[in-house]
Amino acid sequence: DIVMAQSPDSLAVSLGERATINCKSSQSVSYSSSNRYYLAWYQQKPGQPPKLLIYWASTRASGVPDRFSGSGSGTDFTLTISSLQAEDVAVYYCQQYYSIPFTFGPGTKVDIK
Amino acid sequence: EVQLVESGGGLVEPGGSLRLSCAASGFTFSSYAMNWVRQAPGKGQEWVSAINGTGGSPFYADSVKGRFTMSRDNSKNTLYLQMNSLRVEDTALYYCAKVVEQHLVRGGFDIWGQGTMVTVSS
Repeated sequence: DIVMAQSPDSLAVSLGERATINCKSSQSVSYSSSNRYYLAWYQQKPGQPPKLLIYWASTRASGVPDRFSGSGSGTDFTLTISSLQAEDVAVYYCQQYYSIPFTFGPGTKVDIK
Repeated sequence: EVQLVESGGGLVEPGGSLRLSCAASGFTFSSYAMNWVRQAPGKGQEWVSAINGTGGSPFYADSVKGRFTMSRDNSKNTLYLQMNSLRVEDTALYYCAKVVEQHLVRGGFDIWGQGTMVTVSS
């Protein structure tokens, strides 16, 4: 199974500042013949289901504000919130869908400093 | 409106069975692969199973293989998860989730239901 690790476990950022979350997969989540990375990011607020933010490592899902961006390659990926808003307080998960079983990272909690 | 609504959860004793349903609306159900994902209280997400749009060859996590069966009825726009031989560690909120792109089993999950709670306890 591909193990997904996230760092940090939690972070607190001032309103309007940048938040950066890291995700590392235990093996590659792309095919050597492709530059597509089978990696998604989700946001989950208390009492709600997860919300898809990013897929294919860098494609923003429909309706997601452009302050959210995804990047990375190989086994290292990053979710960046360019200017943190109050409504961004949540837990963020990365997920690989390259191979079965699809696996999620343990989550990163983002709060306001 | 694109929507998924789960039902069928409840309290069951270890070794018991439950059948979860997920009613889909607002999109061409048969064109999209679907998944079940669970979240134990206070924990993160655990992928459970996936099925393609035509209903063939579901995939399962090792933790449920041989005990859970995923299926779909495209005529009813409904997804199912038959859960047998339930264990205490199966206690979780079970979500159904739609894959973002048509005809792909592998993709991000863009639509989620609100979940149905399964509690396995004596």
